[in-house]
Amino acid sequence: NAGVMQNPRHLVRRRGQEARLRCSPMKGHSHVYWYRQLPEEGLKFMVYLQKENIIDESGMPKERFSAEFPKEGPSILRIQQVVRGDSAAYFCASSPQMKLGIGNTIYFGEGSWLTVV
Amino acid sequence: AQKITQTQPGMFVQEKEAVTLDCTYDTSDQSYGLFWYKQPSSGEMIFLIYQGSYDEQNATEGRYSLNFQKARKSANLVISASQLGDSAMYFCAMREGKSGGSNYKLTFGKGTLLTVNP
Repeated sequence: NAGVMQNPRHLVRRRGQEARLRCSPMKGHSHVYWYRQLPEEGLKFMVYLQKENIIDESGMPKERFSAEFPKEGPSILRIQQVVRGDSAAYFCASSPQMKLGIGNTIYFGEGSWLTVV
Repeated sequence: AQKITQTQPGMFVQEKEAVTLDCTYDTSDQSYGLFWYKQPSSGEMIFLIYQGSYDEQNATEGRYSLNFQKARKSANLVISASQLGDSAMYFCAMREGKSGGSNYKLTFGKGTLLTVNP
C-alpha cells in the first residue's frame, strides 16, 4: 500500500521561473493538505483540498501560489515567479476523513525540497 | 502566544536509555488532538503517536508513550530504550477542534533534535 507520493524530491529553479510540485495521496484518501517547512522551523499549513475543491487556503501566500486537486491525477502546488524566500521543503499529506484524530491520522509524503538560485 | 512550544532545541541520550521530549500547548478548545512526528535526516515526516483531549489514558505505541497532563497543557513524548535510529528531529503538533472547521489543520512546534549516542 503506497504512501503519499511526492515528486520531484528536489527541485532547483532560478528566480522568476515556475515550480510545480506534485502529490498523489494514499489510496483511499480524498483529503489533501500542503505544508511548508522553512529552515529550522516546524511545518506550517498552506492549503487543504478535496477533489476539485479548495476547502481552506488560509495559509497560502496571496500571490504567486496556487493549488489544485483535479478529479483525475495528482494534486499540484504551483509557485509562479519564484523568489529566494520560496526556498523550503513542501510537504503534501493526506487523510481518509476531514477531522484528524485516532483512526484518521494525516500521513505525510517525503517532501519536495525547492531551492531557488 | 505560540500554540505549540518545544523548549528543547536539542537533546542527547545514551543508547538504551529513556528520553523525554517536552511539548506544551495553548488552546481554548475542549476538543483537540496532539500528534508527534519524527523527521530523520532523510526528511520524511513519520507519524509516531496521537493523544485525544478526551482520552483518559496516555497513548502508547511500542517504545513511544505520551505523558499527557491536561491541566498543565503538556504532552511530552517518552522514548524508552533509545536506539541509534531514533536520532532525528521530533515535532509536536496540535489539531484544534473549533466548531465550524479547522479540525483538519495541524499546528507544529519548532522541533527538538534528538541525538542518540552509542
